[in-house]
Amino acid sequence: QITLKESGPTLVKPTQTLTLTCTFSGFSLSTSTVGVGWIRQPPGEALEWLALIYWDDDKRYSPSLKNRLTITKDTSKNQVVLTMTNMDPVDTATYYCAHSRYGAKSLDYWGQGTLVTVSS
Amino acid sequence: DIQMTQSPSTLSASVGDTVTITCRASQSISSFTTWLAWYQQKPGKAPKLLIYKASSLESGVPSRFSGSASGTEFTLTISSLQPDDFATYYCQQYNIFPYTFGQGTKLEIK
Repeated sequence: QITLKESGPTLVKPTQTLTLTCTFSGFSLSTSTVGVGWIRQPPGEALEWLALIYWDDDKRYSPSLKNRLTITKDTSKNQVVLTMTNMDPVDTATYYCAHSRYGAKSLDYWGQGTLVTVSS
Repeated sequence: DIQMTQSPSTLSASVGDTVTITCRASQSISSFTTWLAWYQQKPGKAPKLLIYKASSLESGVPSRFSGSASGTEFTLTISSLQPDDFATYYCQQYNIFPYTFGQGTKLEIK
């Protein structure tokens, strides 16, 4: 059974760096074609794809946020970490991580999401 | 980036109706297959995968959900609407990075 769960701060101040951790079970990020992605959703708005990391450490980012995002994996801990620098109130959103397989279903298992508020 | 445009933004329907949601891509998202997914999202919940590769039904999803593709236009059809189907639906292309979503279609009870 595949599960994912996001963790991190619920409140960050403007200009701070956000660090979110996705802890998963039921699959390994060392298995060929497997990936973990991050998606966010501002309150009342649409989903926005942020980044994705694959089993082979291939990393992909949203061009509009690329300068602010870093995605890394720790295969031994079954974790994926997303950092976003220079946070702004417009970055207030629910952040989700999700399981993916290259060449298959896109995002087939999702975490419950974590709401991050950016405010001074 | 590939733009995904959904229509309508809001759709009102009754239990038992058949509804269609359309998603249009700004460029081709097909190579040897069509990399288009549909998700259902209910308030306060994570999205749920319904359809992948434009027309393949995710395991456990009722057969009243179906997807189709014609060029850069994609449709999600829900037949015989059930009370549990009233939610927001998103399309997503996963052919070219960044994997972009549509703006969503909210399906409301009439």
